This record gives sequence, structure tokens and C-alpha cells, in this order.
Amino acid sequence: KNQVEQSPQSLIILEGKNCTLQCNYTVSPFSNLRWYKQDTGRGPVSLTIMTFSENTKSNGRYTATLDADTKQSSLHITASQLSDSASYICVVYDRGSTLGRLYFGRGTQLTVWP
Amino acid sequence: EADIYQTPRYLVIGTGKKITLECSQTMGHDKMYWYQQDPGMELHLIHYSYGVNSTEKGDLSSESTVSRIRTEHFPLTLESARPSHTSQYLCASSDQGSYTFGSGTRLTVV
Repeated sequence: KNQVEQSPQSLIILEGKNCTLQCNYTVSPFSNLRWYKQDTGRGPVSLTIMTFSENTKSNGRYTATLDADTKQSSLHITASQLSDSASYICVVYDRGSTLGRLYFGRGTQLTVWP
Repeated sequence: EADIYQTPRYLVIGTGKKITLECSQTMGHDKMYWYQQDPGMELHLIHYSYGVNSTEKGDLSSESTVSRIRTEHFPLTLESARPSHTSQYLCASSDQGSYTFGSGTRLTVV
């Protein structure tokens, strides 16, 4: 069973609108939670990284929130642009092992229409 | 710009052929990884390396093999490609928990 669940699976919004993507995780122990943006045919690119003590972190029009008690995170995108069309992946990092381990969600496929 | 490079970006090959997917990084990272990703699915770790001459299998069973003779180079080889190997293969490296991903190789076996 995947330990990182994302919703919705896909989302279509109009350019200029805001949207919020959700992530629930069961990974334990937990070192930090990351949001990545993956354009079609490309590798994931990091947007934000939050430790358990951080509630919110922003990167331009992207704002991530984290509730470590309920094991939930969200990614809010403000004033969407056509270039925001991509898959947004929630990833939980466990530093516990020597290797360090990333647990990936399946992503939310966002499409922004003009 | 990405400091980790994968070639080729796209590959269409016939069943039974031997292929090598290349991955190189210029950041001097010791840890490197290969992930497999199918459309709409999460990334699955298939191989990783702690450093030169270190290779380990990941969570997802794979018929591919890897080698790490140089720090910067982590190629993945399929001795005999099959249609079930059709997927996207992503290479990554990390340093102190900071990961950098390559652009991936989209492999299609016909």
C-alpha cells in the first residue's frame, strides 16, 4: 500500500485561478515533506521542503502547508499560469536509514486552460 | 540547469536487444539512484549506489543491472529488452538529503 496518497488525481483550472492539492501520508519516521513539479517527459524539480516543525513554506506562487499531527499537507497555487500545467508530486523523506528513503505519491496532474 | 544528464531521452528498440541507459552527474555526489515510472504512477526505486563499486537493488524487482566504476557515471543495462520493460527511467543523485533528478529516458520496447 502506498504510504503517500494524493488528491485529486487530476485537476483542470482556468488560467489565473487558484487551486489546492492535497497529500496524506503514513510514512514514519518522517524527516521532511517535499513537493515536486514534474513536467511531461522531464524529471521532478523540487518546489518546497518542510520539516515537521514547519507549518508553511512559500516559493513564489506556490505555498505548501504541513500538519504533522494529522499527517496532511497541501500545495496551494496562486494565479495559475499555463506553465503550471504539470504533475505535482508529494514526497516524504525518511532520513532514518543510511541511504535515506523517498516515498512518492502518484501525483496530481494539473492542467491550466487559457 | 540540471547537473545530471541522461541519454538517450527517447529510445524505441526491438525485443531481445541489449540496451544501456546512460546517467552522469557533475556534482560529485556519492549516492545515485535509478527509478522506474509508469504513467500516472509513483516512482519506484530499482537500483541505488552509495559510491564507487557499490550497487544495490531497490524496492521494485528489475531485470536490469547497474555499475558504478566512476563517481559521476551510473549506467543501467538491460541484456535482453522485452515489451514489459517499456517505461520511463529516471536517474537521480543526492547529497545530504538534497536530490537532483535527470530528465529521464522514455524506453519503448516493440
